[in-house]
Amino acid sequence: DQQVKQNSPSLSVQEGRISILNCDYTNSMFDYFLWYKKYPAEGPTFLISISSIKDKNEDGRFTVFLNKSAKHLSLHIVPSQPGDSAVYFCAASPFGNEKLTFGTGTRLTIIP
Amino acid sequence: EAGVTQFPSHSVIEKGQTVTLRCDPISGHDNLYWYRRVMGKEIKFLLHFVKESKQDESGMPNNRFLAERTGGTYSTLKVQPAELEDSGVYFCASSQEMVETQYFGPGTRLLVL
Repeated sequence: DQQVKQNSPSLSVQEGRISILNCDYTNSMFDYFLWYKKYPAEGPTFLISISSIKDKNEDGRFTVFLNKSAKHLSLHIVPSQPGDSAVYFCAASPFGNEKLTFGTGTRLTIIP
Repeated sequence: EAGVTQFPSHSVIEKGQTVTLRCDPISGHDNLYWYRRVMGKEIKFLLHFVKESKQDESGMPNNRFLAERTGGTYSTLKVQPAELEDSGVYFCASSQEMVETQYFGPGTRLLVL
């Protein structure tokens, strides 16, 4: 029973354009959502997060949107750069519980 | 400041053998987590230590897995005896307080033949 789903295993985007990565969740208890980025042979690196009281959080080129009614979040990267090529994991946690539930990841490839 | 370190980086063992993975968290981080990723699947939570105490071990697959955190510093995860399905990448993470600041180590790649 996968509670966090990333339905696109891969995505290719031209350099300079917008990358949009999507994530859906099923557990209504999730209150905090995160995106992690992972390069080969490295551990996941925290990228950006959002709590359920917000619908948008921005950090430089990265913006995360949360639609609680649809149980959907997305990560926008604008403009996309070659160094953004990596696997992106969506993760979620219930309030007060630090246990993270991850999706299966989306491999983003930025084409120069 | 040193990040989370894990040892070994790779381990290849035969079914039935024992393997011990080690994690050194960032200095001063009371929270330590173990996660596992089986090939191509999601990263799954195994357990969470607060200092030397197990806060949540709901993700541990079975009693062949034993985690310890001596003195609230480094942690070990022992698999005994190892089975084929234990193969995967084992990640350790640590944090001070908030869930958003979990810092991950590079992982230990375990292959059970």
